[in-house]
Amino acid sequence: ELKVEQNPLFLSMQEGKNYTIYCNYSTTSDRLYWYRQDPGKSLESLFVLLSNGAVKQEGRLMASLDTKARLSTLHITAAVHDLSATYFCAVDMVRPSGNTPLVFGKGTRLSVIA
Amino acid sequence: TAGITQAPTSQILAAGRSMTLRCTQDMRHNAMYWYRQDLGLGLRLIHYSNTAGTTGKGEVPDGYSVSRANTDDFPLTLASAVPSQTSVYFCASSDTGGSEKLFFGSGTQLSVL
Repeated sequence: ELKVEQNPLFLSMQEGKNYTIYCNYSTTSDRLYWYRQDPGKSLESLFVLLSNGAVKQEGRLMASLDTKARLSTLHITAAVHDLSATYFCAVDMVRPSGNTPLVFGKGTRLSVIA
Repeated sequence: TAGITQAPTSQILAAGRSMTLRCTQDMRHNAMYWYRQDLGLGLRLIHYSNTAGTTGKGEVPDGYSVSRANTDDFPLTLASAVPSQTSVYFCASSDTGGSEKLFFGSGTQLSVL
């Protein structure tokens, strides 16, 4: 059974600081996704990582994937208030019969404070 | 482009009553999903469909049923609602089964009293 764990679950950080959110998963997969959810809103896709060593960056966010360690990181550089949201990672697996649906972590609620 | 439309936006339902949550997508995606989101538990998969005419059970399927008569619609039915089904329900779709990113609807807030 595929399990996805994120840490921390809650993160309060000051503006201008750097921090990393971690996502571990339990079985072999080359595919990992990061989503953002603002309070009361739906989820929006941030990054799709489809191979070992994949790195993607957008603005102050950078995501990477290490499939051997079964670990993805979401690094926040010089945080700003607009980054306050809940961040989810999710994993699926490729199967001959069809890829499995995404399994989500519990999310990391990020608050950026002045 | 509308993307994924869910209805209703919110609903209060008496325990024991039935209800169908509607989900329609206009992206011609093959795969569709229903997740529920509960505080502290993240998103959990209820049911999914990799293509029209097929459905599968997710992590928490009990008390829910789905159908996929065509590509665009994927309704979720609660036959006899219970308070533990109080949650936010998200419908999502992807171009192929389980791959690539999901596109999410705006969610349905359901309260079962």
